[in-house]
Amino acid sequence: QKEVEQNSGPLSVPEGAIASLNCTYSDRVSQSFFWYRQYSGKSPELIMSIYSNGDKEDGRFTAQLNKASQYVSLLIRDSQPSDSATYLCAVNSGSARQLTFGSGTQLTVLP
Amino acid sequence: GAGVSQSPSNKVTEKGKDVELRCDPISGHTALYWYRQSLGQGLEFLIYFQGNSAPDKSGLPSDRFSAERTGGSVSTLTIQRTQQEDSAVYLCASSLAGVDEQFFGPGTRLTVL
Repeated sequence: QKEVEQNSGPLSVPEGAIASLNCTYSDRVSQSFFWYRQYSGKSPELIMSIYSNGDKEDGRFTAQLNKASQYVSLLIRDSQPSDSATYLCAVNSGSARQLTFGSGTQLTVLP
Repeated sequence: GAGVSQSPSNKVTEKGKDVELRCDPISGHTALYWYRQSLGQGLEFLIYFQGNSAPDKSGLPSDRFSAERTGGSVSTLTIQRTQQEDSAVYLCASSLAGVDEQFFGPGTRLTVL
């Protein structure tokens, strides 16, 4: 069974710090990787996608992918209280179009 | 432009009743997905539609669940003879053909009493 694992947290960081969120996946043929942010009571919002090994930066967010280690991470620089949410890692394995989600990491940014 | 829309936003029903949940994808998105999110269960894939192709129903948990997509746009998820374990938030997502990025609607919170 394809699995996506995340530390459930909660993860607390002070305002202005770097938050580091990690995710591992079991299916070696996985091709597409996503990070979603989900505020309490809301639906998931796509914030980053990454397809190739290495880093991808978008504003304060950096996604990192290492396919050899089957590892994807999300760094949030200059964390703000508004970043407090659950972050979901999602993986697509190519032949199947649906996403497999991790259970999410709850992040709290303390003012 | 408009995002994915879903209705109703909340649905309370009695055990044994049938319910219909509606999803209207982003205009131009030919792929449509249904997921559900239960407390403590995470996001679980249910069914996937792509254009006029046969849907991928591999995630449907039982034959009480069915979905259709009319005219390649709006989709309806039907749950027959609802059970308490069907209580969850049902999420619809859409994407462009051949693109893996999926965008979610606001969801329908289903409560089965």
